[in-house]
Amino acid sequence: DAGVIQSPRHEVTEMGQEVTLRCKPISGHDYLFWYRQTMMRGLELLIYFNNNVPIDDSGMPEDRFSAKMPNASFSTLKIQPSEPRDSAVYFCASSFLAGGLAREQFFGPGTRLTVL
Amino acid sequence: DAKTTQPNSMESNEEEPVHLPCNHSTISGTDYIHWYRQLPSQGPEYVIHGLTSNVNNRMASLAIAEDRKSSTLILHRATLRDAAVYYCILRDDRTGGYQKVTFGTGTKLQVIP
Repeated sequence: DAGVIQSPRHEVTEMGQEVTLRCKPISGHDYLFWYRQTMMRGLELLIYFNNNVPIDDSGMPEDRFSAKMPNASFSTLKIQPSEPRDSAVYFCASSFLAGGLAREQFFGPGTRLTVL
Repeated sequence: DAKTTQPNSMESNEEEPVHLPCNHSTISGTDYIHWYRQLPSQGPEYVIHGLTSNVNNRMASLAIAEDRKSSTLILHRATLRDAAVYYCILRDDRTGGYQKVTFGTGTKLQVIP
């Protein structure tokens, strides 16, 4: 398996532009997570989905952020409009249940976003 | 979320054992203890997890205190590749359990050649 795939790996944009980050989870995983990592705040959970349905979006910073999961193999995180303080590394992770228990999360390589 | 406390940093000599501590005094009875690590410029990766008993896998060992208020991740022979930030987190793994986890600041492990 290729693991969790994220694109793009690097994104540089100007303030005010729309940014879309993409994630393909591991096939068969029914949980998908979006995280953001900065030096100041560390690794923060933004939102997670179960079977394509958003379960907890309390970590989404504000209305400029939105996430969708139209099917089991694809999710997007959109920032519109982007601001310099959104500069961070964004990770996508996926997970599954086995034996009735939640299993470990598998992380993608991340997207490094720079907003100028 | 139940909180964990870890030292900010630790050092180890290469090929020596490393004991990374984690305190979680407010752990609930259904919380599993998970360890992840993050190598430089990579996403976090799973290391090991346990509930009550000590656990071993190919990467590490997890020693859990009898009262479950603390745990220790043991790397038996540290290599340069083990230099990373190690996160101790708590999560209720039961089906339908709330999946939100808090990673905290972790312990940055430096391995000295």
